[in-house]
Amino acid sequence: QKEVEQDPGPLSVPEGAIVSLNCTYSNSAFQYFMWYRQYSRKGPELLMYTYSSGNKEDGRFTAQVDKSSKYISLFIRDSQPSDSATYLCAISLPHTGNQFYFGTGTSLTVIP
Amino acid sequence: SQTIHQWPATLVQPVGSPLSLECTVEGTSNPNLYWYRQAAGRGLQLLFYSVGIGQISSEVPQNLSASRPQDRQFILSSKKLLLSDSGFYLCAWTPGQGRGQPQHFGDGTRLSIL
Repeated sequence: QKEVEQDPGPLSVPEGAIVSLNCTYSNSAFQYFMWYRQYSRKGPELLMYTYSSGNKEDGRFTAQVDKSSKYISLFIRDSQPSDSATYLCAISLPHTGNQFYFGTGTSLTVIP
Repeated sequence: SQTIHQWPATLVQPVGSPLSLECTVEGTSNPNLYWYRQAAGRGLQLLFYSVGIGQISSEVPQNLSASRPQDRQFILSSKKLLLSDSGFYLCAWTPGQGRGQPQHFGDGTRLSIL
């Protein structure tokens, strides 16, 4: 079983739609949760970082963590064509700084 | 602020040739450094990580090697490239102190082996 699973998509939505991106993970010991945005031919860019259950909001982006279900989500409100990218979820353990686990990424296209 | 640089951005090499990719971090001291390879639809594969000068841990046995000659410099090398070494190589860093800090990535090197 993979440590983290992510639906690869692709996902295509009209401009202005609310986008929901999701990942599940297998080990309840994971405590740090991240979302990255990756444009074509670029490195992943950190979008959201959280270490607790609940919601964290930053502008149009909301990261949600449900530790009881081992489920993390990223919501994008009022999606824009510039949000078209691949989104990667990532998780890490609390007792080491060297173990990060990444989802395979969800490709998102926002159609003007 | 901290920045990470990778070069070259694109590289085309023949099979059997050597390789040297370089990564440097600015604005921080004693970072943890990482090399990943990203294949389409397969996520990020950790190749090497380093917690200090000369300290390298290998995650996947292969014909690649890594070195850290200076605190903020990380180099990925190969003596003889294989076709299977083609891919997108990413360097990343985290603060050396403080558990659970997220990784920050460079813009990667796209390597094509002919």
